[in-house]
Amino acid sequence: DTEVTQTPKHLVMGMTNKKSLKCEQHMGHRAMYWYKQKAKKPPELMFVYSYEKLSINESVPSRFSPECPNSSLLNLHLHALQPEDSALYLCASSQQMGGGGAANTGELFFGEGSRLTVL
Amino acid sequence: GQNIDQPTEMTATEGAIVQINCTYQTSGFNGLFWYQQHAGEAPTFLSYNVLDGLEEKGRFSSFLSRSKGYSYLLLKELQMKDSASYLCAVRGNAGNNRKLIWGLGTSLAVNP
Repeated sequence: DTEVTQTPKHLVMGMTNKKSLKCEQHMGHRAMYWYKQKAKKPPELMFVYSYEKLSINESVPSRFSPECPNSSLLNLHLHALQPEDSALYLCASSQQMGGGGAANTGELFFGEGSRLTVL
Repeated sequence: GQNIDQPTEMTATEGAIVQINCTYQTSGFNGLFWYQQHAGEAPTFLSYNVLDGLEEKGRFSSFLSRSKGYSYLLLKELQMKDSASYLCAVRGNAGNNRKLIWGLGTSLAVNP
């Protein structure tokens, strides 16, 4: 199984709603990532979990709250979002955070993304 | 600062060869990646270079010169389905610098 699965694929929410994005992988990867991507832009790193601990928070506003319940699951809790938060939210995983050399490329496996629209 | 440059757009003809260049200036170097992304879809991994030279994988090849801070992705026998954005990304080598630094992507249009 070489998939990262994300749910929901599409989400429309108001600025007062609370919702969550979910991500799951069963490749035994120990690093999981949340990225935000706007149209015609590269992915923008939000959070990295390494061995279920938050390793990187790229100064993301507190209205985004990540959670890693176990090594296979990653959630992103959303509350009081703004219309400018509308974007494609991508989950990714890798064997470990970083990597290096020819044996462990550290390549990212991406999920299909959750398309979020904030009204 | 950290910077990755790649052309914004390229156009090529079906069956032809196209080379997409990427130059980088980063804090340390621990590998360079090329990803392909079709519109509305997630990026998919194409290649990884950490040593100088050419890596070939079917119709796609990737080259790296660390001394020049330069890489290219070569696509041969272009097909219509190769129309996509191609993202160059570099990984640093220490602490939080091990995260990927992404270029803005090159949008490739393959015409019949």
